[in-house]
Parts: sequence; structure tokens; C-alpha cells
Amino acid sequence: SSELTQDPAVSVALGQTVRITCQGDSLRSYYASWYQQKPGQAPVLVIYGKNNRPSGIPDRFSGSSSGNTASLTITGAQAEDEADYYCNSRDSSGNHLGNYVFGTGTKVTVL
Amino acid sequence: QVQLVQSGAEVKKPGASVKVSCKASGYTFTSYYMHWVRQAPGQGLEWMGIINPSGGSTSYAQKFQGRVTMTRDTSTSTVYMELSSLRSEDTAVYYCARGMQQLVDHYYYYMDVWGKGTTVTVSS
Repeated sequence: SSELTQDPAVSVALGQTVRITCQGDSLRSYYASWYQQKPGQAPVLVIYGKNNRPSGIPDRFSGSSSGNTASLTITGAQAEDEADYYCNSRDSSGNHLGNYVFGTGTKVTVL
Repeated sequence: QVQLVQSGAEVKKPGASVKVSCKASGYTFTSYYMHWVRQAPGQGLEWMGIINPSGGSTSYAQKFQGRVTMTRDTSTSTVYMELSSLRSEDTAVYYCARGMQQLVDHYYYYMDVWGKGTTVTVSS
């Protein structure tokens, strides 16, 4: 099965920009989706597809992809963006429903 | 509004089985897949499998093949995840998440709504 690799932790000054990356072979075929998780809470979808935000997600969150790497960028990070972030993608194994894999997760600290 | 309501916390002994439920509301149950994801204490998210509530077909992560069974009851809009032969390493929060498959310029696959999670503790 495939793997998605993320940096374990990044920090960003309040109001600055941070980019979180996710690398894996499955990303050459499928777009990543990104999830924000705060302590004790369920994950929340923040980006999906080429660069789509669900309703209610601030436009400071954006996504991009190139080759085997997907990126989530927070432009003008706020204190409330401090959380764990996970990428996810489908991979080519399994039946018609597919298999999926999560990245290893990145802890974002807002200074 | 779209909601996924999961069953309550469970405490099980090693070797036992656990069955977690996830009741969907606010949308057409059979029109969307459902994923199961777990998270051990202090660890990352781990994908377990997916079920198509329409026909009941499933796909499981290789790690859980032979130990996990996902089923659905269309009369109550509920999906179930049963994990057998429990061991201490199965102690985790188990989430259900609605699976989206959207064709735009390309197929987009993502999980747009999540349940609050069910804590399963395996301890002797």
C-alpha cells in the first residue's frame, strides 16, 4: 500500500504564511484532501480537489499540487489555525471503491 | 443538516469483538459512501475501510483484512464497523466519515462530514 509523508511539525508567526507538504506516489494520480484536527475534536475538511474549500473554511487556506507532492498553504495564519493537519488520498490498490491513505500529519504551531 | 451520530464508548477485553454504529441523517443515505478511520492515543489518522451503503460493497485496508466487517442497514440509515480479535493496540477513537466522489475536471475523493468519534478501549 502507498504512503504519504509529511513534516512532523512546523511553526509560523502570527499573520505570516506557512506551507505544509505531503509526498507520495498516489498523488501523481489523485488529488489530496486536507484535514484540520484540534485536540479532542474530529477532523475537519479544509481543502479538496485541485484547490477547493468547503463552505465555512476561510480563504486563507489554499491547496496546490505538483508531481508527487501536494501542499496546503495558510496565508496570514491566525491563532485558531494551530492544529494538526493531515493529507489524504485514494490510491490505486483495492477494488472499485479504492483504498485510501492518510499522511503522517503535521503539527502547526502559531507563534 | 448533515449529521453522523456514533454510538457510545466501549470497553472490551483482549480477544473480544466490538461493533460501532454510525447513524446518518440530513441526506440520502444510499447516495454517499462511508469511511471508517481510527486514531490511537497520540497517533495519526488511520484509514480502515469504506462501504457503499447502496449495495453494501466494501473495501478494507490490508492491515484489517480478516478482522474488520463493515455493514449497513438502509432502513435506519446506519452503518456499522465490527472489529474482532481485539488487542491493546486497537485502543483508539473510531470515526465514521462521509465519502465524496465528485467529477469536476478530474475525480475528487474526500471526506466531507465526520462523526464525533467512538472511543474503544481494549484492556484486561
